[in-house]
Amino acid sequence: SQQGEEDPQALSIQEGENATMNCSYKTSINNLQWYRQNSGRGLVHLILIRSNEREKHSGRLRVTLDTSKKSSSLLITASRAADTASYFCATDQSQAGTALIFGKGTTLSVSS
Amino acid sequence: GAVVSQHPSRVICKSGTSVKIECRSLDFQATTMFWYRQFPKKSLMLMATSNEGSKATYEQGVEKDKFLINHASLTLSTLTVTSAHPEDSSFYICSATGLTEAFFGQGTRLTVV
Repeated sequence: SQQGEEDPQALSIQEGENATMNCSYKTSINNLQWYRQNSGRGLVHLILIRSNEREKHSGRLRVTLDTSKKSSSLLITASRAADTASYFCATDQSQAGTALIFGKGTTLSVSS
Repeated sequence: GAVVSQHPSRVICKSGTSVKIECRSLDFQATTMFWYRQFPKKSLMLMATSNEGSKATYEQGVEKDKFLINHASLTLSTLTVTSAHPEDSSFYICSATGLTEAFFGQGTRLTVV
């Protein structure tokens, strides 16, 4: 099952530009997490935002969460070619011990 | 360092054979682990929840006789793809949840020829 829906599905930008990805979900959550995946590789955890938080920063990453709209955004500032990857949001639903449910992902291409 | 280790990272097998994938939690005990499958250019789809000491819980559409899950200890869950066919070729990833976050294995790229 999938809960999160990301948009856009694909995003191409130039180095130095900002990249914004959005994620929507359907059910109540404990937290929402963003992951990065390079082609054919495992997942890299980027940031976790709890349901009672509205914004969180980590380096060049900024995540917002709007529980009333059931949506989140991931902003990558001053993008680099190394940021090229797929980005997924994943929600941790209210029940303890439940699996993370992933969105469809956004494929980001940063060209130099 | 990795707290969830998945092995093998890559496997090629012939049609009709079975393949076992291991998922180990290294720094903590995991009563529950999760198995995901990812098709090329797609997202991770939850296949099943592996419960230590009891039967796994499978998501709708996932054949339990095809994807055998064993969670015999608090640190190890295995996924066996039985009688593999080319359509089973995929990227399989396990995860285990610690106190505050989920940890993912490195993934296993299965190719059935």
